[in-house]
Amino acid sequence: DQQVKQNSPSLSVQEGRISILNCDYTNSMFDYFLWYKKYPAEGPTFLISISSIKDKNEDGRFTVFLNKSAKHLSLHIVPSQPGDSAVYFCAAKENTDKLIFGTGTRLQVFP
Amino acid sequence: DSGVTQTPKHLITATGQRVTLRCSPRSGDLSVYWYQQSLDQGLQFLIQYYNGEERAKGNILERFSAQQFPDLHSELNLSSLELGDSALYFCASSLGGDFEQFFGPGTRLTVL
Repeated sequence: DQQVKQNSPSLSVQEGRISILNCDYTNSMFDYFLWYKKYPAEGPTFLISISSIKDKNEDGRFTVFLNKSAKHLSLHIVPSQPGDSAVYFCAAKENTDKLIFGTGTRLQVFP
Repeated sequence: DSGVTQTPKHLITATGQRVTLRCSPRSGDLSVYWYQQSLDQGLQFLIQYYNGEERAKGNILERFSAQQFPDLHSELNLSSLELGDSALYFCASSLGGDFEQFFGPGTRLTVL
């Protein structure tokens, strides 16, 4: 039972444009959401997070939006850069420390 | 560099064998987490230790076990290995609680 879903396995965006990565979840008890970025042969790197009491969190080029009623969150990257090309994982926490991960979306930013 | 180290980087072994994966957390971090990533899958939580004690358990097989030592490094033991155990195994560490987890580079296990 996949509690965190990333339905788009890949996304291709031109440099300078906006990248929007989506994530859906089924467990309404999740209280904290995170995005991780992963390059090949490396472990995931924390990118940005949002608490369930907020609907938006921004950090530089990265913004995460949370829609609790739709059980949906998204990561916006503006402007996209070639160095952003990586696999992005959405993750959620429910009152514990363990993270529940989605299957990832591979982002490719082309010139 | 996250500050979390994992050894070995690659491991190739045969079915039925036993292996030990090692993780050293970031300096000061008390929590260690183990995750498994199979092909085209997300990371699956296996187990968490906090300051030497088991804190949370995920879908960890009975053939797998872990421990955290007094110096806070952790080992994940995988026994009676099967082909399906081939995966990337990641260790992460954090201060605990709501602090974000920092991941090591992973150990790629191949069972032949």
